[in-house]
Amino acid sequence: GAGVSQSPRYKVAKRGQDVALRCDPISGHVSLFWYQQALGQGPEFLTYFQNEAQLDKSGLPSDRFFAERPEGSVSTLKIQRTQQEDSAVYLCASSLGGGQFNYGYTFGSGTRLTVV
Amino acid sequence: AQTVTQSQPEMSVQEAETVTLSCTYDTSESDYYLFWYKQPPSRQMILVIRQEAYKQQNATENRFSVNFQKAAKSFSLKISDSQLGDAAMYFCALEDGGATNKLIFGTGTLLAVQP
Repeated sequence: GAGVSQSPRYKVAKRGQDVALRCDPISGHVSLFWYQQALGQGPEFLTYFQNEAQLDKSGLPSDRFFAERPEGSVSTLKIQRTQQEDSAVYLCASSLGGGQFNYGYTFGSGTRLTVV
Repeated sequence: AQTVTQSQPEMSVQEAETVTLSCTYDTSESDYYLFWYKQPPSRQMILVIRQEAYKQQNATENRFSVNFQKAAKSFSLKISDSQLGDAAMYFCALEDGGATNKLIFGTGTLLAVQP
């Protein structure tokens, strides 16, 4: 596609519910990032994929968070047993290679998750 | 640890005037990259301007320019001839020089443009 597509755009989950957030990167983009943006804050890194390999998951806040990209294209961020502190916008970005400066990231419009 | 600090939560500027948004950062790397992003209500992060740390010349993109002070670890954004469409959240970001190349963002500055 022309851009990075994220779905759903909005998600309301009851506390304790599991959710899955989807990211469709630009076709052919090797690198894929997930960021979490809490209200009034800047985005914070969650995890990074190069093709299907998850090379860095140091930003995942707990073992309730899990991300995958099984075929090196679409990625899913799963949050189990959601808590109120998980409420945030989840942004996905993709690029042809590594690094914003050399390759340029394209960000999606994010999924706003609200846990009630 | 690498950090990015934006000390101005909100700024306001009159249309056609100039405004400067401040950013300071900390990193132990000698070579790194700095960015300013714009985030409108659509939530998509849009790259405004970028700077390589080893280049002393300040980057410029049309009405947007930076004042990069490496020794002071300061990276401010100047918007000239402000337009209504410039109203948005602006984030300063530092690219991690490690294998991941992840971005470290500041907390943002909300810019209002008054007609």
